[in-house]
Amino acid sequence: GAVVSQHPSRVICKSGTSVKIECRSLDFQATTMFWYRQFPKKSLMLMATSNEGSKATYEQGVEKDKFLINHASLTLSTLTVTSAHPEDSSFYICSAEQGPKETQYFGPGTRLLVL
Amino acid sequence: QKEVEQNSGPLSVPEGAIASLNCTYSDRGSQSFFWYRQYSGKSPELIMFIYSNGDKEDGRFTAQLNKASQYVSLLIRDSQPSDSATYLCAVREGNRDDKIIFGKGTRLHILP
Repeated sequence: GAVVSQHPSRVICKSGTSVKIECRSLDFQATTMFWYRQFPKKSLMLMATSNEGSKATYEQGVEKDKFLINHASLTLSTLTVTSAHPEDSSFYICSAEQGPKETQYFGPGTRLLVL
Repeated sequence: QKEVEQNSGPLSVPEGAIASLNCTYSDRGSQSFFWYRQYSGKSPELIMFIYSNGDKEDGRFTAQLNKASQYVSLLIRDSQPSDSATYLCAVREGNRDDKIIFGKGTRLHILP
């Protein structure tokens, strides 16, 4: 199966700082990448859909100015949590697909803790 | 509102028995169906996908699809304690731009 990586795997930061998370498709070109957030013992929640070279589409209730998404190439998407606060502490997971109707593959996730 | 429904569980199954996980979906136009497994603290990993009515087998796993009933299931034969996880059902409609919709998952616990 296709491989998706995320970096960092874990980050601890102070309240008010910004954190950037990278998502890479290692062995395929991803036309679309997705960003999810998952709180402990809760369901996966889609935050936004990112297409290479265009603006991300955010789900209802997700602040686009707080969660900046850039999909500059077919193998890399980044999520920046700006001015992070303790309530942003969560497990952030990206996924990627090669094209429409293709299978979606997940990265290993990034655990964010904001103190 | 397009929905994918799963029983949250937990579903407890004795080791060696067959675990049966069920999923229903609301959009009759759905074309692609996926099962993911998520261990606690980890991200989801793809187990199987199925597009056509009927059964699809891969090792101990069998996916079953019934489009008329809008129902997809996953059977795990010879259940092992390592199968204990949350299983996510995911559905994609047939339109080009439609994203995959995930169910909330069923927690499966295999009893040693």
